[in-house]
Amino acid sequence: GIQVEQSPPDLILQEGANSTLRCNFSDSVNNLQWFHQNPWGQLINLFYIPSGTKQNGRLSATTVATERYSLLYISSSQTTDSGVYFCAVERNGGSQGNLIFGKGTKLSVKP
Amino acid sequence: KAGVTQTPRYLIKTRGQQVTLSCSPISGHRSVSWYQQTPGQGLQFLFEYFSETQRNKGNFPGRFSGRQFSNSRSEMNVSTLELGDSALYLCASSLALRTVISYNEQFFGPGTRLTVL
Repeated sequence: GIQVEQSPPDLILQEGANSTLRCNFSDSVNNLQWFHQNPWGQLINLFYIPSGTKQNGRLSATTVATERYSLLYISSSQTTDSGVYFCAVERNGGSQGNLIFGKGTKLSVKP
Repeated sequence: KAGVTQTPRYLIKTRGQQVTLSCSPISGHRSVSWYQQTPGQGLQFLFEYFSETQRNKGNFPGRFSGRQFSNSRSEMNVSTLELGDSALYLCASSLALRTVISYNEQFFGPGTRLTVL
């Protein structure tokens, strides 16, 4: 099956710093989503980005589908950005509704 | 528009019991997927329902089952609970549009945290 690898697994930043999270996937995809999991466990949608670039405030994401990777950029990080960030993909031609998740990047932003 | 809701939020059961979890999708969404999250295995797909039919199933034993009702609400059931079933169970809904441009963004509920003693 498709493999989804996220890096780095852990990231510690000072407030105000910028960061880049990476997601590599091993097959072509229909769907790629980035999520932030809050301390209570809920997955918050950040981006639906099977290809191209999107921006939402301090966050932006780029997916280069032909090279099978996606990047999530966080600028001017805040303590509220702390948590686990997941990349998830739905394989092209795969079963619909089946997101394959990476293991996540745990981000800690220190004041 | 209200988001995905899941009930109950927390549940404690003992080994051998069974449990039923409920998920109400976003209004107008036709597809409901279920996922299990554990520290060891991460987030894993359980199954997906569309128009009351299970379309896809992950690699879980038959003790895990589900169904979807005509209003798109879904339930999942776990029978003969084992300690390893302790997990956060997440439900997601999507429009499941499959037109010229495929769009299948999934939106997650807050989850049900199941503890098996």
